[in-house]
Amino acid sequence: DGGITQSPKYLFRKEGQNVTLSCEQNLNHDAMYWYRQDPGQGLRLIYYSQIVNDFQKGDIAEGYSVSREKKESFPLTVTSAQKNPTAFYLCASSILRSQTGDNEQFFGPGTRLTVL
Amino acid sequence: GQNIDQPTEMTATEGAIVQINCTYQTSGFNGLFWYQQHAGEAPTFLSYNVLDGLEEKGRFSSFLSRSKGYSYLLLKELQMKDSASYLCAAYSGAGSYQLTFGKGTKLSVIP
Repeated sequence: DGGITQSPKYLFRKEGQNVTLSCEQNLNHDAMYWYRQDPGQGLRLIYYSQIVNDFQKGDIAEGYSVSREKKESFPLTVTSAQKNPTAFYLCASSILRSQTGDNEQFFGPGTRLTVL
Repeated sequence: GQNIDQPTEMTATEGAIVQINCTYQTSGFNGLFWYQQHAGEAPTFLSYNVLDGLEEKGRFSSFLSRSKGYSYLLLKELQMKDSASYLCAAYSGAGSYQLTFGKGTKLSVIP
């Protein structure tokens, strides 16, 4: 079955440690995205990538890094520079179409990161 | 800049109809998405409006007015399983392909 996978579902880390969240998709989508969601808040864009080996900062990129070495994979590293990393992290992917195309974003199940 | 507004919470009775409003102010607007998100789960796609007017999909309908920067999601014959957060998101297709999300409306369906 096609879809997006994120692992693990729950992740605990000590303060000051870097941690990498995985995101894999087999939908053959060109674009991939990382969002952060805090309680009572909407999704905020961290990074996105439209093509392999290229990515762009979103609204809250500070303290995060990404790579896009393969079309299927878009891992997110939460670094020690991120001041408040505890959150629910969602990865998404979509095709790239014309401006009015119905290019919905498909979401993975999310990773809940807790920094102790 | 981008700004999306929607009510924080709503409560409705099982079997009733509820309308969730969304207003937006975005640059490069091309369309409006609605997603449903159950607690602790990923958002799932409900609808996408590009043109003005009402789009109906079973119990769910979505409306868009581009001139007013306004959309709503209409849920009919409410069921308990419809208790979830509903996210409004504006799509900017001009090269960025980004979605700007509102904070979501938490809908509670009561018996």
